[in-house]
Amino acid sequence: KAGVTQTPRYLIKTRGQQVTLSCSPISGHRSVSWYQQTPGQGLQFLFEYFSETQRNKGNFPGRFSGRQFSNSRSEMNVSTLELGDSALYLCASSPDGQSYGYTFGSGTRLTVV
Amino acid sequence: DQQVKQNSPSLSVQEGRISILNCDYTNSMFDYFLWYKKYPAEGPTFLISISSIKDKNEDGRFTVFLNKSAKHLSLHIVPSQPGDSAVYFCAASALSGGSNYKLTFGKGTLLTVNP
Repeated sequence: KAGVTQTPRYLIKTRGQQVTLSCSPISGHRSVSWYQQTPGQGLQFLFEYFSETQRNKGNFPGRFSGRQFSNSRSEMNVSTLELGDSALYLCASSPDGQSYGYTFGSGTRLTVV
Repeated sequence: DQQVKQNSPSLSVQEGRISILNCDYTNSMFDYFLWYKKYPAEGPTFLISISSIKDKNEDGRFTVFLNKSAKHLSLHIVPSQPGDSAVYFCAASALSGGSNYKLTFGKGTLLTVNP
């Protein structure tokens, strides 16, 4: 069965621009979570969506937002990009959001210049 | 405040020997712990987990030990193989409430297994 698909794989943006990343979960999974990985901070939780509702949010500024569609696909948006937003953005899907069911995608590598 | 800590950024072992990766946590609400393995340019892959009601869980060459009183867990890989070379992340969650629906990760330990 198909895994978690994240697009695009790589992205280069200029400071001040905005960006939208996409995540297609495993078929049947209704929960999608987003994480940011940076060399110094490891993986940090951004937010989790279940049935189009955000259930949990991490400690990130309001420039980071997300949404989930009725088919469970999710997008995250970062506005007014800063150099420090350069990171690997990972999406994970699970049937119901419980931590024992997560499957991660390969991530989107965002570089802000 | 980092709630999950992996104090060793890197570890190097010889093929065939034991690899021991350590993880400490501070949040008493955590009741489920996981280890993930990550290769460059790939997402983390689930390796093994343990519930707080247990103190040991084994899966082939991988064993996770949990010491609740010390808020410490460790991953043992025996015997280590060159293909085990990767970054290992420890993660924790609160299944019974608190910070549910999310994982709190450590910063990772880069394991290098030398042939």
